[in-house]
Amino acid sequence: DTGVSQDPRHKITKRGQNVTFRCDPISEHNRLYWYRQTLGQGPEFLTYFQNEAQLEKSRLLSDRFSAERPKGSFSTLEIQRTEQGDSAMYLCASSSRITTTLSGNTIYFGEGSWLTVV
Amino acid sequence: GDSVTQMEGPVTLSEEAFLTINCTYTATGYPSLFWYVQYPGEGLQLLLKATKADDKGSNKGFEATYRKETTSFHLEKGSVQVSDSAVYFCALIPWIGTASKLTFGTGTRLQVTL
Repeated sequence: DTGVSQDPRHKITKRGQNVTFRCDPISEHNRLYWYRQTLGQGPEFLTYFQNEAQLEKSRLLSDRFSAERPKGSFSTLEIQRTEQGDSAMYLCASSSRITTTLSGNTIYFGEGSWLTVV
Repeated sequence: GDSVTQMEGPVTLSEEAFLTINCTYTATGYPSLFWYVQYPGEGLQLLLKATKADDKGSNKGFEATYRKETTSFHLEKGSVQVSDSAVYFCALIPWIGTASKLTFGTGTRLQVTL
């Protein structure tokens, strides 16, 4: 079990630039989530995929944000025209659809991608 | 809507002290409840969970009991160590069997000193 992996772990970008984060979920998990966490706060939900379908998006996900999961495996989160307010840690998580096991419906997180917009 | 309320931190304890971090929730139906831990500069790790009333989740000496009558899921540990210093998040999923998103509290920072 390699866990949820995210890349890059840290990104510093100038305001107005585009950035893209990648997430590789746990291999047997068909559900994938993106969260955002700012300093001193709990993570906030951004969006959710089941396989390749994006089933839910938060109001926090402005038009500058787009997420994809083209083959139902890895996912990317792109932020266009970054603003200083986008500085945060972007967390990816995954879970299994199987709910009959103890691990079912448990969401596992990656280590996060830190974004600093200067 | 669903919400989670945690006690404010930081909580500062001496090593071997008893820990309680309070968590209460508001949700319809029967949510699943979780505690996650975040060490400095890292993502979240699942600490323990409980999926129905009166269940007790436990891991690494930490425990929490799902109390539906008081809508609470307080985290406890009998003897903390310096290595337990981290931020602890209480969270819920509205009810098991769905893919609903986690709703988190704001986190409680624990500092354990020698």
